[in-house]
Amino acid sequence: DPKIIQKPKYLVAVTGSEKILICEQYLGHNAMYWYRQSAKKPLEFMFSYSYQKLMDNQTASSRFQPQSSKKNHLDLQITALKPDDSATYFCASSQQGYQDTQYFGPGTRLLVL
Amino acid sequence: QQQVRQSPQSLTVWEGETAILNCSYEDSTFNYFPWYQQFPGEGPALLISIRSVSDKKEDGRFTIFFNKREKKLSLHITDSQPGDSATYFCAASAYQGGRALIFGTGTTVSVSP
Repeated sequence: DPKIIQKPKYLVAVTGSEKILICEQYLGHNAMYWYRQSAKKPLEFMFSYSYQKLMDNQTASSRFQPQSSKKNHLDLQITALKPDDSATYFCASSQQGYQDTQYFGPGTRLLVL
Repeated sequence: QQQVRQSPQSLTVWEGETAILNCSYEDSTFNYFPWYQQFPGEGPALLISIRSVSDKKEDGRFTIFFNKREKKLSLHITDSQPGDSATYFCAASAYQGGRALIFGTGTTVSVSP
């Protein structure tokens, strides 16, 4: 059974719209993350949460808002979508501490037209 | 400015040969270096990691060599198998740098039978 679930697997959106990417982990981890992978850039760290609190934010744009409704959930809301937001978004999780192994989900591939 | 660099961008080896993947970094505070393996359509998966107190880490056919003075490391894949064909990412983090992993641009390895 998959331990990190990301939904949907593929997502097509129009410019200016809003989408929510879902992430659930069943590894019993306390820290969760979002990364982005595009053709133009390597895997890029976006956010980290620990015990449902924002710990690190390296996303310059406020259009990206993580949402943690439960300990094992970390969704990503993206507003006012732009074509440049087209990428694969990966959710990851780790036990808790710094430099614990981060486990990645299968990703959500977003295409903004 | 890319903090973690990888070379070559792509590499083809014959089955049974040793593939050597290179990684270099700039930030001297980096002290944890995981290598991730990624297959098309999947999320990255941790392959092997090393901390800066060590100069070598071995796990089966995969070995990391680390040179702290030169800020370089390499991943050696011995007895390469067709199943090793994937993209390999070198990543780095600093204990005081939060939980973010900084990824290189990756090396795509193709193993020909």
